[in-house]
Amino acid sequence: DAKTTQPTSMDCAEGRAANLPCNHSTISGNEYVYWYRQIHSQGPQYIIHGLKNNETNEMASLIITEDRKSSTLILPHATLRDTAVYYCIVRVADNQGGKLIFGQGTELSVKP
Amino acid sequence: DAGVTQSPTHLIKTRGQHVTLRCSPISGHKSVSWYQQVLGQGPQFIFQYYEKEERGRGNFPDRFSARQFPNYSSELNVNALLLGDSALYLCASSPGLGLGNTIYFGEGSWLTVV
Repeated sequence: DAKTTQPTSMDCAEGRAANLPCNHSTISGNEYVYWYRQIHSQGPQYIIHGLKNNETNEMASLIITEDRKSSTLILPHATLRDTAVYYCIVRVADNQGGKLIFGQGTELSVKP
Repeated sequence: DAGVTQSPTHLIKTRGQHVTLRCSPISGHKSVSWYQQVLGQGPQFIFQYYEKEERGRGNFPDRFSARQFPNYSSELNVNALLLGDSALYLCASSPGLGLGNTIYFGEGSWLTVV
């Protein structure tokens, strides 16, 4: 089972920041938080990942709380093309090479 | 640089037939994994290979098999196809097995079983 919980859906106005929350209260010290998004009928697109520190790249920022029990993905200036399902995944140290376990994700709708 | 490439992109098979799906990882990536995504659900892990060895297997029947070649490309084989095998099959690659190694996905192969 996925170790994360996310809201089922969210709306965001075009040009505004989209803040997508994720809870992962059972995360262990060596487990990473990954974010992917999937636009209908396409393969999941990697966005960003982090362990303890906040991270930023050209697509987004990832804010991880100090206790690591939750995180927020921030898309600073959402566009219509950011409409997608966003998956927050805790990558678990297992005997299967650290597979990704996808939950239901958050369906983000960016509206004009 | 080319991303993860998969072939074919779409195919239709009849129940009971066999299918082979192919994947070329990103150059320099030694790990390949396969996922199945049925309509309306998130992707589910099927297999992971690293350096030509199976490193992980999800909860799928033995009709599903895979292998990785010396050039790190991979094949997923499904025998005795069932209607329920209709799905998007995703291949993903990463440089190695560490949890900090990013996994990148291809665009997938759409399989329809009729």
